[in-house]
Amino acid sequence: RKEVEQDPGPFNVPEGATVAFNCTYSNSASQSFFWYRQDCRKEPKLLMSVYSSGNEDGRFTAQLNRASQYISLLIRDSKLSDSATYLCVVARNAGGTSYGKLTFGQGTILTVHP
Amino acid sequence: DAGVTQSPTHLIKTRGQQVTLRCSPKSGHDTVSWYQQALGQGPQFIFQYYEEEERQRGNFPDRFSGHQFPNYSSELNVNALLLGDSALYLCASSPRTGSWLTEAFFGQGTRLTVV
Repeated sequence: RKEVEQDPGPFNVPEGATVAFNCTYSNSASQSFFWYRQDCRKEPKLLMSVYSSGNEDGRFTAQLNRASQYISLLIRDSKLSDSATYLCVVARNAGGTSYGKLTFGQGTILTVHP
Repeated sequence: DAGVTQSPTHLIKTRGQQVTLRCSPKSGHDTVSWYQQALGQGPQFIFQYYEEEERQRGNFPDRFSGHQFPNYSSELNVNALLLGDSALYLCASSPRTGSWLTEAFFGQGTRLTVV
């Protein structure tokens, strides 16, 4: 079983639509959670951190359920520029002399069309 | 302020050859991690360097090795290349502080094609 699992999609939605992505993780020791965005043939970039209390950044809302080991991202009022791959990421400090690693899901492809 | 820079941007190699990829971290960052991203997959952690030592390693064979220099820049070496090594290789730098997770920046990557 993969440590982080996402529905790869693709999701094809019209402008203005609301779309939700889900992600599950298997390591209950995971400490930090993120959504990254990756445009075609570009590097991943941090979109937002995810907290148990839920957090919102403009049209984007992220939620974490530690009990279910489940992470979600909601995009409201989709724009053409939201078209990208959305990567669910978990991290755990390794302790000692290491600063841990980021563990990525497969990514969910979103295409927003006019 | 330059971000994370990687070179070369593209590379084509033949099976069995060796390759060296380079990464210069963002100014103020001293920790470098390398990731491999195969087509259609998320990045996978290869290893992490700081203070010129490998600190953590992912599930990659010994053909993958690295180095970090006193100026914090880093190299990734892959020996005896296989077709399956074709991927985008990403370098991420971060500061060695509590905020390393939210301050990890990725370079644009090196796209390696093995033929």
